[in-house]
Amino acid sequence: GQNIDQPTEMTATEGAIVQINCTYQTSGFNGLFWYQQHAGEAPTFLSYNVLDGLEEKGRFSSFLSRSKGYSYLLLKELQMKDSASYLCAVRDGRLIFGSGTRLLVRP
Amino acid sequence: DTEVTQTPKHLVMGMTNKKSLKCEQHMGHRAMYWYKQKAKKPPELMFVYSYEKLSINESVPSRFSPECPNSSLLNLHLHALQPEDSALYLCASSQSPQGPEDNEQFFGPGTRLTVL
Repeated sequence: GQNIDQPTEMTATEGAIVQINCTYQTSGFNGLFWYQQHAGEAPTFLSYNVLDGLEEKGRFSSFLSRSKGYSYLLLKELQMKDSASYLCAVRDGRLIFGSGTRLLVRP
Repeated sequence: DTEVTQTPKHLVMGMTNKKSLKCEQHMGHRAMYWYKQKAKKPPELMFVYSYEKLSINESVPSRFSPECPNSSLLNLHLHALQPEDSALYLCASSQSPQGPEDNEQFFGPGTRLTVL
């Protein structure tokens, strides 16, 4: 079966660092994506990992371990505008989304 | 042009109405997708078009009918919908449905549909 798990909600403070974890069990694997989605808006692409290791892009980094079926999204120097849902998605022929993690950044 | 556009932004329809959602991209992408998203839930895949042919239908009820008139356009025809079909309908495109060059799906802003 296909299963992607993320925490439902997280809270962090402006300027801090937060790590959002994602574990997955899928029949196939051809890449893992992180998307950001603000309420009422479309998802926007943040990162893509297909090989093990860390991908860094500005304040955002994403890590993948294929042997463990595990990824995380790291957000540094949090800003209020980072309050959003963060969707982990695995491509297995099609894109399968996790339920998303709602992140609330407090002043 | 690196965006996916969708019209209308909002749609309210009765259960006996027929309406269509439209999606357009001019990035030369050969894969296009329809997703349905309910509040506080992740997007759920409905249909995938690959090179203008329907390649995936996720057991979607026949009251939803997709159409791909050409490589830039994707429509979703709606007929006899139910109130539980109210949701945000997202269109997305990617360079191709498979392969290393297909690194990301670009999403449109969505159509918020309310069925009365």
